[in-house]
Amino acid sequence: EAQVTQNPRYLITVTGKKLTVTCSQNMNHEYMSWYRQDPGLGLRQIYYSMNVEVTDKGDVPEGYKVSRKEKRNFPLILESPSPNQTSLYFCASRYTAYATNEKLFFGSGTQLSVL
Amino acid sequence: DQQVKQNSPSLSVQEGRISILNCDYTNSMFDYFLWYKKYPAEGPTFLISISSIKDKNEDGRFTVFLNKSAKHLSLHIVPSQPGDSAVYFCAASFSSNDYKLSFGAGTTVTVRA
Repeated sequence: EAQVTQNPRYLITVTGKKLTVTCSQNMNHEYMSWYRQDPGLGLRQIYYSMNVEVTDKGDVPEGYKVSRKEKRNFPLILESPSPNQTSLYFCASRYTAYATNEKLFFGSGTQLSVL
Repeated sequence: DQQVKQNSPSLSVQEGRISILNCDYTNSMFDYFLWYKKYPAEGPTFLISISSIKDKNEDGRFTVFLNKSAKHLSLHIVPSQPGDSAVYFCAASFSSNDYKLSFGAGTTVTVRA
């Protein structure tokens, strides 16, 4: 089954404790992206990657890092989480060439709470 | 500064009636618009899209209308069904395969039986 898998689904942590949210897709997609969803703001793009070792900032990259060492994985790293990073996070993927955003697959989300 | 705005956070409609969801955008360079639907505990899924060269696109019960001069689009669901109860996000981009999507805040639709 084609899917984007995020782990964990829920995470509660404390300010300053480094954490990683993993994202993996099994569709051989080149493009992957991270979004955060906040009430009244919708989904905002954090980082995206067009292919292995190619990443770029989205609209709200501050406080986040990403890496793309393999095509299937695109982890989101919070080196020093703060309470304003409490949010619902979504990972998404699609093919790069000849693919449009109609074919953007989203994971089920990771609810992060930073205390 | 949000470039895509959905000013109605929620909408309640009776089963069988029409649901109309509105979306406004500020950047006149946006060329492609999409609606995504999201159920609780799931990620968004694509619903319907429209290119700026069209003013209407229809797919079954779902129709999207685009008014470029007003920078406004709307999603019509006719007839509304209980399974349509979800959060609907409007999104805009500079092309159909753009790597950057700008989303609105979402509208929660509740269809009453």
